[in-house]
Amino acid sequence: AQSVTQLGSHVSVSEGALVLLRCNYSSSVPPYLFWYVQYPNQGLQLLLKYTTGATLVKGINGFEAEFKKSETSFHLTKPSAHMSDAAEYFCAVTSYNQGGKLIFGQGTELSVKP
Amino acid sequence: EAGVAQSPRYKIIEKRQSVAFWCNPISGHATLYWYQQILGQGPKLLIQFQNNGVVDDSQLPKDRFSAERLKGVDSTLKIQPAKLEDSAVYLCASSLNPGGTFTDTQYFGPGTRLTVL
Repeated sequence: AQSVTQLGSHVSVSEGALVLLRCNYSSSVPPYLFWYVQYPNQGLQLLLKYTTGATLVKGINGFEAEFKKSETSFHLTKPSAHMSDAAEYFCAVTSYNQGGKLIFGQGTELSVKP
Repeated sequence: EAGVAQSPRYKIIEKRQSVAFWCNPISGHATLYWYQQILGQGPKLLIQFQNNGVVDDSQLPKDRFSAERLKGVDSTLKIQPAKLEDSAVYLCASSLNPGGTFTDTQYFGPGTRLTVL
């Protein structure tokens, strides 16, 4: 069975500071990994995804994530936080034998202080 | 391009009552998903349709939940009777490829927030 663990249910950073949201996964087969963002009262929006190939993935709004198989991690980073980045972030995993079914982590709420 | 539409946006009911949610996916998207998101948790897949056939309903509480996707387009999710623990946001998502390709992007609607009193 696959699973995702997001370390820290709430992360707070200052505007302009580095954003680091942690995601570790468990999968017995090669994983495909996703980061979604959810703004208040809205649905989830894809930030980026890793399928195959380059392990450093760049997404929208200046976010990127690196797939590290040896560490079973897929941490999300952004060099400089903006106020508009405040939202809930979800890491998710699937694989070739899951038919598109996503397994989500519990989410990390990001707050950005002025 | 219009996104995934859901209605109603909010619903408050008493326990043991019935409720239905509606989803209209992005035009041309073959695969449709219903997720349940309980406060403080990530979304959990309830059911997945490929066109109008069910691909995965292993986590759907079938004694009280039902879903259908008529003509492979719109879908409805019903709860009858509702329990307090059904209070959650119900998210609908769709993706393009009929094979439910595992790397497909899923596009989410705004969700329906259900409160069961």
